[in-house]
Amino acid sequence: DTAVSQTPKYLVTQMGNDKSIKCEQNLGHDTMYWYKQDSKKFLKIMFSYNNKELIINETVPNRFSPKSPDKAHLNLHINSLELGDSAVYFCASSLSPGLPTSYEQYFGPGTRLTVT
Amino acid sequence: DAKTTQPPSMDCAEGRAANLPCNHSTISGNEYVYWYRQIHSQGPQYIIHGLKNNETNEMASLIITEDRKSSTLILPHATLRDTAVYYCIKGRVTSGSRLTFGEGTQLTVNP
Repeated sequence: DTAVSQTPKYLVTQMGNDKSIKCEQNLGHDTMYWYKQDSKKFLKIMFSYNNKELIINETVPNRFSPKSPDKAHLNLHINSLELGDSAVYFCASSLSPGLPTSYEQYFGPGTRLTVT
Repeated sequence: DAKTTQPPSMDCAEGRAANLPCNHSTISGNEYVYWYRQIHSQGPQYIIHGLKNNETNEMASLIITEDRKSSTLILPHATLRDTAVYYCIKGRVTSGSRLTFGEGTQLTVNP
């Protein structure tokens, strides 16, 4: 059973389009995250939700909008895609913040987004 | 600014121990040290964490110096599948658990 899954695995789209990436976890965690890994391989956090509430919102263009319909799902919607949005996007999950175990994050396989 | 330093790359022979060092310019008493690795084209994988005592699990051992500014991740019998980028990250238990990845160490295990 996959612990953290993402769809799609690959996404190729044109500039200006709107796209969504979905993430689901079956670990029973109540905190989920989105990270972005750019072409230079730097991994940076974008958002985090705890029990469907946004708790981390880094400096990310407001074209990016996360949505958490329930604790097991965190989706990422991107409007008006730009060339610079090309990257690998990773979803992760963990137990609640406030515990050392909240840094034991389980990552999905990633979604490689290419904007042309 | 607080800085985490890891060697950019290391090599290890298969079957030997791999010792990966990490230094923090500053670390608070309530900041844990976490180690992750990222095998090529996969998501990062949690390995181990510690506060001030040495820790061991089925994947690795973690040695933390008394001043806690240095730690060493030990893979006791490295295999080819351990080839990956290894990240040392410090984290304070607060309301948000953001992992701040640096450049890490590219470990290559050679046959």
